[in-house]
Parts: sequence; C-alpha cells; structure tokens
Amino acid sequence: QKEVEQNSGPLSVPEGAIASLNCTYSDRGSQSFFWYRQYSGKSPELIMSIYSNGDKEDGRFTAQLNKASQYVSLLIRDSQPSDSATYLCAVSESGGGSNYKLTFGKGTLLTVNP
Amino acid sequence: DADVTQTPRNRITKTGKRIMLECSQTKGHDRMYWYRQDPGLGLRLIYYSFDVKDINKGEISDGYSVSRQAQAKFSLSLESAIPNQTALYFCATSPFWAGGAFNEQFFGPGTRLTVL
Repeated sequence: QKEVEQNSGPLSVPEGAIASLNCTYSDRGSQSFFWYRQYSGKSPELIMSIYSNGDKEDGRFTAQLNKASQYVSLLIRDSQPSDSATYLCAVSESGGGSNYKLTFGKGTLLTVNP
Repeated sequence: DADVTQTPRNRITKTGKRIMLECSQTKGHDRMYWYRQDPGLGLRLIYYSFDVKDINKGEISDGYSVSRQAQAKFSLSLESAIPNQTALYFCATSPFWAGGAFNEQFFGPGTRLTVL
C-alpha cells in the first residue's frame, strides 16, 4: 500500500510569516510530486510540481524534494490570509503502467492570521 | 478556456436510486479520473481511464461503474446508491507525456452528493 503522509496540522501562522508544509512518501520509485491547494468546498488546484531533487521556486512558493529521504515540502513565504486553505501533497505511483496515478495525502489545513 | 466541467454540482437522492455523474473536458487530455473525498480520508481513486477503450478500477470501485463515451466525456454511475456514498466527487484529467514523468492532474469543480 503506497502511502503519503503529511503533517497533520492544523498549522497556524501570522500574516507575513513563512509557512512550512511537509510530506513523506513510501514509494521509492515515485518520479513526480505535486502540491495542490484546496479551499473549503472547492476543488484541488495545482500550485507546484517538482520532479528533481532540490528546490523549485515560483513566486512566494518553494517546493523542495529529497528523493533519498523520500521527503517533499512546500514553503510559502510572506503568507497572506488568502493562503488559508488545505494543502494536499500528491505523489505519482511507480511500476508497470501505474505511473499515471497519484496518491494523495490527507492534507494539512493552513490558517494565516491577519 | 480549456476546462473540466461536472454535472450536476449538487444532488440529493434516496437509497436505492441510480445516479449518474458526468464529466466533460475541453483540455484535450487522454487520461481521466474519478475520485471521492470524505472528511478525514482524503481523495480516493474510484476509476480511471487512459483512453476510450481503457477503463481501470481504483482503490474503491465497489458500488460504482463508469463509462468513457468519448475522449472528452467520462461518467460515473452509482447503480444503487447507499448513504455511505455521500461524499464530494471530483473528476480530473491528465495529459499524456512520453516517458510518463509528468502527470499533473487538473480537477473539475466537484459534485456534492447526498444519499438519504
């Protein structure tokens, strides 16, 4: 059973702070890693994708991947109240034609306080 | 805009009724997926399809069936709805990339289904 674990939260940070969201995964062969943002009652929205070890930055968001440690994280700099949402980590499955399926973590609820 | 749409957006039905949820996309993606989301359980895959002739069961397919009518349309049916199928249902699409390393999924707006 492939697993994706996220810090359970909820996570609360003040406006302007850095929010750090973490995710570990069990499938060593996974190649693709994604972060989705989901507002309450809405659909998941893709905000970051990362495929290689290291950091990837996009505006205020930085994704970090360490395949040896099976760890992926998302940093949100200068957090804004509009960043308050549940963040889902998703990891591709590996092996025999399953590479097009994603396993999702249960999500971390982030609240940014004004 | 290229998009993923779902109908209906909300549905209340009774135990034993047959229900169909529909998904259409204008993204031109080959791969389509159906998920359900329950509080505390996250997103769980029900069925997925890589093209019109390819249908695969996900981790929780019991009680559900699907039909891929065209590249752009993928429907989910509950043959005889039961209360524990009350959930938020999402359709998603994914492009094909040679080599398979890039498989981001894009979600529709969801259908909130309540089975009484």
